[in-house]
Amino acid sequence: GAVVSQHPSWVICKSGTSVKIECRSLDFQATTMFWYRQFPKQSLMLMATSNEGSKATYEQGVEKDKFLINHASLTLSTLTVTSAHPEDSSFYICSASVRQGNVAFFGQGTRLTVV
Amino acid sequence: KQEVTQIPAALSVPEGENLVLNCSFTDSAIYNLQWFRQDPGKGLTSLLLIQSSQREQTSGRLNASLDKSSGRSTLYIAASQPGDSATYLCASEAAGNKLTFGGGTRVLVKP
Repeated sequence: GAVVSQHPSWVICKSGTSVKIECRSLDFQATTMFWYRQFPKQSLMLMATSNEGSKATYEQGVEKDKFLINHASLTLSTLTVTSAHPEDSSFYICSASVRQGNVAFFGQGTRLTVV
Repeated sequence: KQEVTQIPAALSVPEGENLVLNCSFTDSAIYNLQWFRQDPGKGLTSLLLIQSSQREQTSGRLNASLDKSSGRSTLYIAASQPGDSATYLCASEAAGNKLTFGGGTRVLVKP
């Protein structure tokens, strides 16, 4: 099956710094990728839809200036958590599908800890 | 707004027993229903995808059914093994490729 690679798998940063997470589709082109956030023992919550070549679409309640998304190519989307705070500590996961209606492939996830 | 619910939230069975995981959704206007497995601290692995026009899908020991009219899907895992211990998530896909996830069922299969 298709592969989505996410990097880094974990990161620890200081409050006030920014962290960039990469999501790559390794063997297919993805015009759309999705970013999710998952708190411990909870399900995935969609944060935003990343659109290649255009602005991301954010879900209600997600701060676009806090979570910057860039989808500069058909195989790469990045999520930057700006001015991170301890409450931003979470598990972030990206996904992509070859096309609508097909299986969604997920990255390995990134565990962000802000200290 | 679509709401997806999974019952039970946790399940513990002895090895060899069959597992039955339930998923319900409020809006039947879906493209498909997908089941995923998540191991602790890891991403999601796709298990089965049932198109809205289908009633069930099978893969090995896994079988998933879909009843759109009642807003339900069930994942059956036959002859459970300790390696089946994980969290199982269902998700409905709507327009725009958006997935709405249930809360998951944490499964423990005891040797």
